[in-house]
Amino acid sequence: DQQVKQNSPSLSVQEGRISILNCDYTNSMFDYFLWYKKYPAEGPTFLISISSIKDKNEDGRFTVFLNKSAKHLSLHIVPSQPGDSAVYFCAASVEGYQKVTFGIGTKLQVIP
Amino acid sequence: EAQVTQNPRYLITVTGKKLTVTCSQNMNHEYMSWYRQDPGLGLRQIYYSVNVEVTDKGDVPEGYKVSRKEKRNFPLILESPSPNQTSLYFCASSLNWGETQYFGPGTRLLVL
Repeated sequence: DQQVKQNSPSLSVQEGRISILNCDYTNSMFDYFLWYKKYPAEGPTFLISISSIKDKNEDGRFTVFLNKSAKHLSLHIVPSQPGDSAVYFCAASVEGYQKVTFGIGTKLQVIP
Repeated sequence: EAQVTQNPRYLITVTGKKLTVTCSQNMNHEYMSWYRQDPGLGLRQIYYSVNVEVTDKGDVPEGYKVSRKEKRNFPLILESPSPNQTSLYFCASSLNWGETQYFGPGTRLLVL
């Protein structure tokens, strides 16, 4: 039972345009969400996070939106750059519990 | 340099031959975790530890053991590896639960 779902295995975007990566979750107890980026042959690296008390968090070109009623979050990258080409993992956790649940990842390709 | 190191990076072994993958972090982090990454399944948590001598199961603990005798080290032990444990393994650490995790570079394991 996949509690964190990334339904798009891959996404291609032109350089300079917006990339939107989506993530849905089923466990309404999740209250902290993170995005990680992973390049080939490297470990994932943290990108951005959001707590359930917020609906938006921004860090430079990266913005995460959270819609609690829809159990949906999205990562927006504007403008997209070729160096953003990577696999992006959505992750979720519950305060007080140490487990972190990841999605299967979305492979983003930014075309120059 | 703050980092999480894993050894070995690549390992080929045979069914039933005990092996240990080491993980070490130099950031004095309380929380450490092991994940495996498989195609179509994303990152799945195997075990985690919230402090020395405190460990607990993640989502896929079967066939694995861990120990946390020192804060900096969190080895993953496969007592009797089987081919279904062929995977890419990541160790991660964070200062506290729910905070950004720092991942090691990964260990690619092939069990014949």
